[in-house]
This record gives sequence, C-alpha cells and structure tokens, in this order.
Amino acid sequence: TQLLEQSPQFLSIQEGENLTVYCNSSSVFSSLQWYRQEPGEGPVLLVTVVTGGEVKKLKRLTFQFGDARKDSSLHITAAQPGDTGLYLCAGPMDSSYKLIFGSGTRLLVRP
Amino acid sequence: DAGVTQSPTHLIKTRGQHVTLRCSPISGHKSVSWYQQVLGQGPQFIFQYYEKEERGRGNFPDRFSARQFPNYSSELNVNALLLGDSALYLCASSFYGNSNQPQHFGDGTRLSIL
Repeated sequence: TQLLEQSPQFLSIQEGENLTVYCNSSSVFSSLQWYRQEPGEGPVLLVTVVTGGEVKKLKRLTFQFGDARKDSSLHITAAQPGDTGLYLCAGPMDSSYKLIFGSGTRLLVRP
Repeated sequence: DAGVTQSPTHLIKTRGQHVTLRCSPISGHKSVSWYQQVLGQGPQFIFQYYEKEERGRGNFPDRFSARQFPNYSSELNVNALLLGDSALYLCASSFYGNSNQPQHFGDGTRLSIL
C-alpha cells in the first residue's frame, strides 16, 4: 500500500525564520504535488515535481524531489504570516487515476 | 473565469438521512474527483469521473455513490449517514483526470452529522 508520511505534523515559528517540511514514502512515485490549504478553503496547488533530484523554486519556497523519487521536501526561507496554512503532499497511486495525500504539516507563522 | 464551485457550503444532517452534494468544474474540464477530508487529516480519494464514466473508486462503502452529467457537473450521494461521515467534502476538476495533472479544488462542503 502506497502511503505518504509528512513531518512534522505541526510547526509554530516566528516570522523571519526558515523551516523545512518533509514528505516520505517507501514507494516510488512518478511525481509528487505540493498543495497549501487555508482554513475554510480547498487545497491550492503550489508545484509538481516529476524528475528525481529536481529542485523547483517559487519565490521563498524551494521544493526538492528525492533522487529515488520516494521523498520530497519543502523549504521556506524567511517565513511570513501569510505562509500560515496546511501543507499537503500528494502523489498518484500505482500509476492510477487515484491521488493519495499525506496527512499534512500545519504551519503557524507568528508575527 | 469561475473556479470549481460546490454547493451547499455547509450542511447539517442526522444519522440515517441521505445527502446530495454538488460540484461544477472549471469550464473545459472533463474530469471531476471527490475527496473526503476529516479534521486533522489530508483528503482521501472517493471517486473520479471522466466523460460521465466512473474511472476510479477509493476505499469507501457502497453508501457512497456519484454521477457526472453531460455538462460535466457532478453529484456525490451518501445514504444512511453515520456520525463518522462528518467531514469536509472536496471536489476537484482537471482536463483529463490523469493523477499527474494538477487538481483544481473547490472550497468544499462541510457536512456535520448529529
């Protein structure tokens, strides 16, 4: 069974700090997607990583896909209160049409 | 352009009742997927429909059913509601529904079972 485990589950930091959240699996994924979800809203796609070792940057957010395509990380530089939200990683299950999600990392950035 | 729209936004039901949730995809998108998100967890896949045909089903009981209409909108039906069905139900659309494609989510229907 393919599973995605995210860590930490919860992170509370001060504005300006850096942080890294992780998405790990024992299975190989053809791609991984990262979403951010704010309270009362649906998840919004941030990025899709496809190639092993790939690094993508989105302003202060840096996403990396592991060489073996079993894990991914999201690094935020100089976090801001607007970064607060639930960060979810997701990947296709067994090359099917099903998308499985991790349980998420809830980030709180305090002013 | 309008995003994915879901209705209603909130719903309160009692155990044993049934519920119908509705979703309109982004214009031009032919695939709709449904997810259940329990508080504190990530979304769990329920169904995917493409061109009115069911293309995938998650590990949910037969009390859950769905359909897609010719205009690509979709309904999720849940019968014999249980307390554990309380959750945020999310609808997502994409062009072809391939799981490598980005999913565009609506803001969900929050269902509370009393």
